[in-house]
Amino acid sequence: EPEVTQTPSHQVTQMGQEVILRCVPISNHLYFYWYRQILGQKVEFLVSFYNNEISEKSEIFDDQFSVERPDGSNFTLKIRSTKLEDSAMYFCASVRVSNEKLFFGSGTQLSVL
Amino acid sequence: GENVEQHPSTLSVQEGDSAVIKCTYSDSASNYFPWYKQELGKRPQLIIDIRSNVGEKKDQRIAVTLNKTAKHFSLHITETQPEDSAVYFCAAIFSGNTPLVFGKGTRLSVIA
Repeated sequence: EPEVTQTPSHQVTQMGQEVILRCVPISNHLYFYWYRQILGQKVEFLVSFYNNEISEKSEIFDDQFSVERPDGSNFTLKIRSTKLEDSAMYFCASVRVSNEKLFFGSGTQLSVL
Repeated sequence: GENVEQHPSTLSVQEGDSAVIKCTYSDSASNYFPWYKQELGKRPQLIIDIRSNVGEKKDQRIAVTLNKTAKHFSLHITETQPEDSAVYFCAAIFSGNTPLVFGKGTRLSVIA
């Protein structure tokens, strides 16, 4: 089965630093997402991306967050100035068309110290 | 806003018994309802899904039922095994191309 790949698997950073989380969605998929999961809590939607632009974002996705698809394969999430509360598992996901099975990557565990 | 409520938050069953997890949703236009299983430290994995034009779907020991009138859907696991122990999340797409909204999860423990 095709897979969404994410790097790195773990990222430790100091508060105030910038981090970039990387994802390679499945090649024929058109919709891309970032979700996050704080330890022991539910999976929360951050942002969706379609046709090279943000299609929807949640309240969590404030000015400190940005997404990019710099080339035909990578999809990145940048946090400009990390806060302690940004510590979470960040999942990238993709789907060929909406209302189909959403494929999740294995996640990046971000720890902000 | 759109919301998915999930109950119970924890569930313990004896091996071989059945487990039922229930979710309710807020938007009657919702049309896609997947269930995900998440083991500790792993990604959510889709285990079964159902669309709004179907009332029930079964895959071996797992089944999902949907009641559109009442706006709720349920996951049924029969003949539970210890490897079924995990956190289960329901989710819903509310309309069009909106993203999946997840419930808060149910931690299922199957006791051998």
